[in-house]
Amino acid sequence: KAGVTQTPRYLIKTRGQQVTLSCSPISGHRSVSWYQQTPGQGLQFLFEYFSETQRNKGNFPGRFSGRQFSNSRSEMNVSTLELGDSALYLCASSLIAGDYEQYFGPGTRLTVT
Amino acid sequence: QQQVKQSPQSLIVQKGGISIINCAYENTAFDYFPWYQQFPGKGPALLIAIRPDVSEKKEGRFTISFNKSAKQFSLHIMDSQPGDSATYFCAATSNYGGATNKLIFGTGTLLAVQP
Repeated sequence: KAGVTQTPRYLIKTRGQQVTLSCSPISGHRSVSWYQQTPGQGLQFLFEYFSETQRNKGNFPGRFSGRQFSNSRSEMNVSTLELGDSALYLCASSLIAGDYEQYFGPGTRLTVT
Repeated sequence: QQQVKQSPQSLIVQKGGISIINCAYENTAFDYFPWYQQFPGKGPALLIAIRPDVSEKKEGRFTISFNKSAKQFSLHIMDSQPGDSATYFCAATSNYGGATNKLIFGTGTLLAVQP
């Protein structure tokens, strides 16, 4: 069974631009969560989706948004990029909301210049 | 109260030795405690997990010890190998208040196993 896939793997953007990251969960998984990983703040929860509904949101500004499609694929968007948004963005999938076993993708490395 | 504190920040162990990483939490509603292993350039991989109704769980060379009264849990890697060199994260979560997959992560431990 294929794992979680994330595209693109690497991205370089300029301050003020916006970016969209994509995540395809493991086949059959309907819950997707997003995390931001930085050396300073570690792994921080962004939001989670189940059945196209956002179930939980972390403590991030409104510039960070996401959505989930009917096929469980998910996208996250960051508008008006700031230098501090440079990070590894990780997507994790699980069967359902509240199913504790989560499997992470390889991440998208975003660099903001 | 949502924090998970992890120590040490880094650890050097000789091949064949035991690696021990500790985590502590405050939120008594946490009911699932996974450990993740992350290699450079990769996403975290689920290694082993435990629920608070058991005090120990073993999978191969990896063991989680859980102390509910002390609100602490630890990862033991027996017979540590150079291939175990990675960053290890403890985490915690709870469905209290609604089904969620939100994980609260510790700060990570960089393990180096010397040959």
